[in-house]
Amino acid sequence: TQLLEQSPQFLSIQEGENLTVYCNSSSVFSSLQWYRQEPGEGPVLLVTVVTGGEVKKLKRLTFQFGDARKDSSLHITAAQPGDTGLYLCAGAGYGGATNKLIFGTGTLLAVQP
Amino acid sequence: SQTIHQWPATLVQPVGSPLSLECTVEGTSNPNLYWYRQAAGRGLQLLFYSVGIGQISSEVPQNLSASRPQDRQFILSSKKLLLSDSGFYLCARDRAYNEQFFGPGTRLTVL
Repeated sequence: TQLLEQSPQFLSIQEGENLTVYCNSSSVFSSLQWYRQEPGEGPVLLVTVVTGGEVKKLKRLTFQFGDARKDSSLHITAAQPGDTGLYLCAGAGYGGATNKLIFGTGTLLAVQP
Repeated sequence: SQTIHQWPATLVQPVGSPLSLECTVEGTSNPNLYWYRQAAGRGLQLLFYSVGIGQISSEVPQNLSASRPQDRQFILSSKKLLLSDSGFYLCARDRAYNEQFFGPGTRLTVL
């Protein structure tokens, strides 16, 4: 069974601090996505990484896909209260008729003003 | 635009009662559709997926069933709800590059 473990599970920081969220698996994925979810809403896609070692930046967010395509990280610089939410990584396997995703265990981030 | 509607938004049901949650998709034809359940503050568990009308695959054994009577309609059902069925239910469809687009969700509380 493919599993994606995220760490930390919870994170409470002050505005302006930096943080890193990790997403780890023993399985290889064809691509990996990061989503952010706010309470009572569906997850919203932030980024997709598809190449081992790839780094993508989205304003203050930096995403990295591990060289072996088994892990990923999300780094936020100078966090703001608007970054508060549940961060989910999700990995896609190879082949098949659907794009079934394996979702990570989630990281709940609270940024205090 | 491509939109997913989920109905109802919230639901409180007694144990043993039936359930029907509806998901409808706009702006796309023959989408792959998914039902997920989420516990508070946690990741998503895939329950069912469908590649077309009448085609349902179940990911985990459970008290729930799914149906796809029309191309853009995906229904999650139960004959008798259990306390453990409580959660946040999300419908999703495929998008490009293995990405998924989610509906707004249904919060189900079983008492």
